[in-house]
Formats: sequence, C-alpha cells, structure tokens
Amino acid sequence: GAGVSQSPSNKVTEKGKDVELRCDPISGHTALYWYRQSLGQGLEFLIYFQGNSAPDKSGLPSDRFSAERTGGSVSTLTIQRTQQEDSAVYLCASSPTVGQGYGYTFGSGTRLTVV
Amino acid sequence: GENVEQHPSTLSVQEGDSAVIKCTYSDSASNYFPWYKQELGKRPQLIIDIRSNVGEKKDQRIAVTLNKTAKHFSLHITETQPEDSAVYFCAANRGGSYIPTFGRGTSLIVHP
Repeated sequence: GAGVSQSPSNKVTEKGKDVELRCDPISGHTALYWYRQSLGQGLEFLIYFQGNSAPDKSGLPSDRFSAERTGGSVSTLTIQRTQQEDSAVYLCASSPTVGQGYGYTFGSGTRLTVV
Repeated sequence: GENVEQHPSTLSVQEGDSAVIKCTYSDSASNYFPWYKQELGKRPQLIIDIRSNVGEKKDQRIAVTLNKTAKHFSLHITETQPEDSAVYFCAANRGGSYIPTFGRGTSLIVHP
C-alpha cells in the first residue's frame, strides 16, 4: 500500500481478554517493527521482523506478548490476558530492509485501552 | 546496549526564534542518527537523518550536527513557526544492531 496501515485504530478491551493488533507495511518493505508508546512517553521497542523472521524479540515485555508475520507482509501483535498496564498506543513501522541508514515509516497506531 | 539521552524535555520559544535539541549516545559504533517529528495525535515522521561520515546536514530550516568524538548530535530549527510545535525524537543505531534506540522526546512549543 501507499503507507503503513494499522487496525484497529482504537481498541477498548476488558482486563484478561486477548487482543490482536494488525499491521500492513508498505508494499515491498521487508523490515517491520513494533513499538509501544505510553501516554506522554517515548518509543519502546518491542520486536522486529526481517521477512518472516524475528531476530530480535528482546523488547517484548512478557510472555503474554507475541507477534508473527506471514508472507513477508502483514504482521499481527497478540497480547494475551491483557492488563491495565498494557494500555498504550502500539505503533508499527516498516523500512525497505533492515540496515543502518534506513528511516522508518510509521503507521498511525492502535490505541489500546484496557478497562 | 545503547543509551540515548535527549534534552531538554520541553522547549518553549517565540515564533521566529531558533530551537536546538541535543542528544547524546553511548555506543561509539553507532553510525546512523535519525530525527522524528510527532505532532499531537499523529504518527512519528522522519524529518532528517545523518550518518557518521558527515558532520552536518541541512534541509531548509532544519539542520542536524554530529560530533562523533563527543558522541552527541543536535537538531537545529531556525525561524520557528507554530506548525513546528510537536514532539521531536532523536535516535541512534546500536552498534551491531539495526534497531535504533530512541531518546525520550522533546516537546517543542512555538508561541505565535
């Protein structure tokens, strides 16, 4: 697509429920990244994909968080048994490939609210 | 791992003044330094970047400088306008990693 698309744009869920967040990167971009931004805070790295592989999962906060990418395109971030501290904006970004010297194109994010 | 410090956290200027945001990094192997602008409620957008083989880069009213010896880099905005008001994030690529570490952001407010 023309840009990075994320869905849903807003999600309100009850504590303990599972949620799935979707990211559709720019067509042809092999690198895809997930970040989390809490209110008024910076960008917290979660995970990145090169193709369908996730070489760096070091940022995932707990084993309740997982992500996958299929077909080298769409990625899904899943949060199981959501907690209130999971409330944040989840941003996805893509770049042509993984490598120094490539800036990110971000999606508009999914605002997750856990009540 | 890489540590990126960004200052100030908030910067308030009058329209037409210059604004400078400074970042320091810890990993001497870092060699790519992008800057992102995030307007309220919107996505971060890349506005300028610099590589370690360059000391300065300009794009109209914005410029970035890099001092590799001191391990710091700065964003300079001249002739600020109200539409420059946003949160600005610096980042540095960790040595040996392709994932940049972001600063905590600077909220720039330009008063008309």
